[in-house]
Amino acid sequence: DAGVTQSPTHLIKTRGQQVTLRCSPKSGHDTVSWYQQALGQGPQFIFQYYEEEERQRGNFPDRFSGHQFPNYSSELNVNALLLGDSALYLCASSRAFNYGYTFGSGTRLTVV
Amino acid sequence: QQQVKQSPQSLIVQKGGISIINCAYENTAFDYFPWYQQFPGKGPALLIAIRPDVSEKKEGRFTISFNKSAKQFSLHIMDSQPGDSATYFCAAGGTNAGKSTFGDGTTLTVKP
Repeated sequence: DAGVTQSPTHLIKTRGQQVTLRCSPKSGHDTVSWYQQALGQGPQFIFQYYEEEERQRGNFPDRFSGHQFPNYSSELNVNALLLGDSALYLCASSRAFNYGYTFGSGTRLTVV
Repeated sequence: QQQVKQSPQSLIVQKGGISIINCAYENTAFDYFPWYQQFPGKGPALLIAIRPDVSEKKEGRFTISFNKSAKQFSLHIMDSQPGDSATYFCAAGGTNAGKSTFGDGTTLTVKP
């Protein structure tokens, strides 16, 4: 039973560019949440998708957007990248209203 | 405003000892309190979780103690092993709270 799959694992982008990160949830899970984890800090909630709609959003600017597809997979898009966007981006899936998240291993984004 | 405060930031314990990590929360709407374990290069993995209708939950060597009136909960790791060396995050979430909010993490080192 595959867990949460994220791609790519590592990414280097230039300031001002745009990036798309991808996530496939664990089998049986239909809710996807995205988190940003800076070095040495806890994960910070970006947003959550359920039934292809954004249900919750954290304190992140509109440069961060997302999408959920009918097969429950999800994308995180970040426009106009800043150096401060460098972080580990984590995708977590769960069943709706089940709070036991399963996390992927993350995408390490470096903005230079 | 940080809604979940975790302490200590780092902890060193001898093999066989007890590791204790504490968290305090502010939002009384939280009704789900998980602990996650994260190894370098990996996403957090759900370790154990508790709801506020019980004061303690035990799974193997891991125990959560919950004090609703004090809005505090803690993780106890009995008979700590070098393989337990990792970063531990507490979190708080639930239906009314929506997203899960994480503490800043505790780096545990278990010395052989």
